[in-house]
Amino acid sequence: SAVISQKPSRDICQRGTSLTIQCQVDSQVTMMFWYRQQPGQSLTLIATANQGSEATYESGFVIDKFPISRPNLTFSTLTVSNMSPEDSSIYLCSVGFTGTNTGELFFGEGSRLTVL
Amino acid sequence: AQTVTQSQPEMSVQEAETVTLSCTYDTSESNYYLFWYKQPPSRQMILVIRQEAYKQQNATENRFSVNFQKAAKSFSLKISDSQLGDTAMYFCAFASPGNQFYFGTGTSLTVIP
Repeated sequence: SAVISQKPSRDICQRGTSLTIQCQVDSQVTMMFWYRQQPGQSLTLIATANQGSEATYESGFVIDKFPISRPNLTFSTLTVSNMSPEDSSIYLCSVGFTGTNTGELFFGEGSRLTVL
Repeated sequence: AQTVTQSQPEMSVQEAETVTLSCTYDTSESNYYLFWYKQPPSRQMILVIRQEAYKQQNATENRFSVNFQKAAKSFSLKISDSQLGDTAMYFCAFASPGNQFYFGTGTSLTVIP
């Protein structure tokens, strides 16, 4: 299992600003992901955070808007850049392990972002 | 592409009663996993139960069990003896090895005292 801490838990931001969300895991993990959960909607994968290299983004998400860092196997950041009200959402950090064959994902508590 | 459908946006159940949440999925994969995740009001999602597609036996975890119908691509969750702490959003999810997870839109379950 894994314990995941996300900061901030919530924030209110002004249009045009940027916010960086941190994700800290209590153990080394192979896979780290960033999801967006918009009100009343399902979870949408933004990108896979790759340790020591550029993140892999899903269709509809670009690095300029959602830059991601992953300097080591326990930490990642997601930045939401040049925010607009449409970016108001919950952003979830998730981790998984390879080699265990469980296929399970573990989630942080999420960061609730409101853009005015 | 894989899709996961949860057709019940909201459900309620009396405490101690049994409730079944529905989930259907579409895939051409033969090897995959299915999951039910629970997201309480505190927002942290936790795994409730997991099913490997190659296993015919339905998974059970205490009061939680699934009805996995592979041919029908159906994966429902049954909660027995419902408790107040079961109040949460429940997400059905699909994943094939090495690929991303696909989540349904969720079912909001309220357990009524």
